[in-house]
Amino acid sequence: GAGVSQSPRYKVAKRGQDVALRCDPISGHVSLFWYQQALGQGPEFLTYFQNEAQLDKSGLPSDRFFAERPEGSVSTLKIQRTQQEDSAVYLCASSNRGGGYTFGSGTRLTVV
Amino acid sequence: QKEVEQNSGPLSVPEGAIASLNCTYSDRVSQSFFWYRQYSGKSPELIMSIYSNGDKEDGRFTAQLNKASQYVSLLIRDSQPSDSATYLCAIYNRGFGNEKLTFGTGTRLTIIP
Repeated sequence: GAGVSQSPRYKVAKRGQDVALRCDPISGHVSLFWYQQALGQGPEFLTYFQNEAQLDKSGLPSDRFFAERPEGSVSTLKIQRTQQEDSAVYLCASSNRGGGYTFGSGTRLTVV
Repeated sequence: QKEVEQNSGPLSVPEGAIASLNCTYSDRVSQSFFWYRQYSGKSPELIMSIYSNGDKEDGRFTAQLNKASQYVSLLIRDSQPSDSATYLCAIYNRGFGNEKLTFGTGTRLTIIP
């Protein structure tokens, strides 16, 4: 596609509910990244894929967070048993060269 | 010490003046440096990249890099109200299996008409 597409745009989840956030990167982009951005803060790295391989998941805050990219294209970030501290904007970005990310519009997750 | 440090602002600059945004970083092996602009409620948008010491100009924007001082800056000339946004500094270190960008917290810039 022309850009990075994320869905849903907004998600309200009750505490304890599982959520799945989808990212469709720019076609042909090898690298895919997930970031978490809290209000007033910069994006914080969560995890990184090169094609279908998850090469770095050091930023995932707990084992409730899981990401996959099974066919090297679309990726899903799953959060189990959501907590209020998970409320943030989740940004997906893709890249085909070092550092020049293109971000999606993000998913704003609110846990109530 | 955070890997990437920015003054959170807000920084207020009169329209038409030069806005100067600063960023310091702690990892000496950082290779590439980026400035992203983020409007409220929107996602970050890449505006400048710089890889070598010195200045790089693109329209009204100039990025400056000093690796010895571990310092990168962004100058915006002839500031316009549409430049009002948060500016994020990001560094890139390509290591084995790691291509992540590390972001600062951002500087909120307001251009006063």
